[in-house]
Amino acid sequence: DQQVKQNSPSLSVQEGRISILNCDYTNSMFDYFLWYKKYPAEGPTFLISISSIKDKNEDGRFTVFLNKSAKHLSLHIVPSQPGDSAVYFCAARLGGQFYFGTGTSLTVIP
Amino acid sequence: DGGITQSPKYLFRKEGQNVTLSCEQNLNHDAMYWYRQDPGQGLRLIYYSQIVNDFQKGDIAEGYSVSREKKESFPLTVTSAQKNPTAFYLCASSTLGQVLSNQPQHFGDGTRLSIL
Repeated sequence: DQQVKQNSPSLSVQEGRISILNCDYTNSMFDYFLWYKKYPAEGPTFLISISSIKDKNEDGRFTVFLNKSAKHLSLHIVPSQPGDSAVYFCAARLGGQFYFGTGTSLTVIP
Repeated sequence: DGGITQSPKYLFRKEGQNVTLSCEQNLNHDAMYWYRQDPGQGLRLIYYSQIVNDFQKGDIAEGYSVSREKKESFPLTVTSAQKNPTAFYLCASSTLGQVLSNQPQHFGDGTRLSIL
């Protein structure tokens, strides 16, 4: 049973606009959430994270929002750039294990 | 230059053959993980290890085996019992710190395994 879900397999955004990637989870015991970026034939690269005790974390163009009551996580990229085109995975931690979503493929159109 | 090295990048297996995927890290991380990625699916955990000489099964451990004899190394063996081994395999590591501090996993570049 998938505990972390990314319901949008793909997203296209114009350069300079905002990209919003969404993630839902089912286990309220997750204590740490992360976003990774992945290019084909490469390993995921850590992007940004948030502890379950916070609701927002910002790092440059990237902001992660956590809504615990809705069990929802989102990643905002502003402004979007063509180099942001990649697959984005959300992940959640419980104990020593990390659980990953299925990924959203973001295409930023120049 | 610290990081995680997976080798080989591409690997081919004959039917009934065991193959071993290498994963080495020089980040001094305590924990190491093996994931499998199939098209359209997320990363699924095969095995993980938080300390030398100890490891735990993940969600899809059947047909796989691991060892953790050194902190730096966590090889994965895909046995002939794994009926559908074709996939992209990713190794990761992380610190554990004080009671699971908030540190991300770092990933290698993966090994693509195919059946001949």
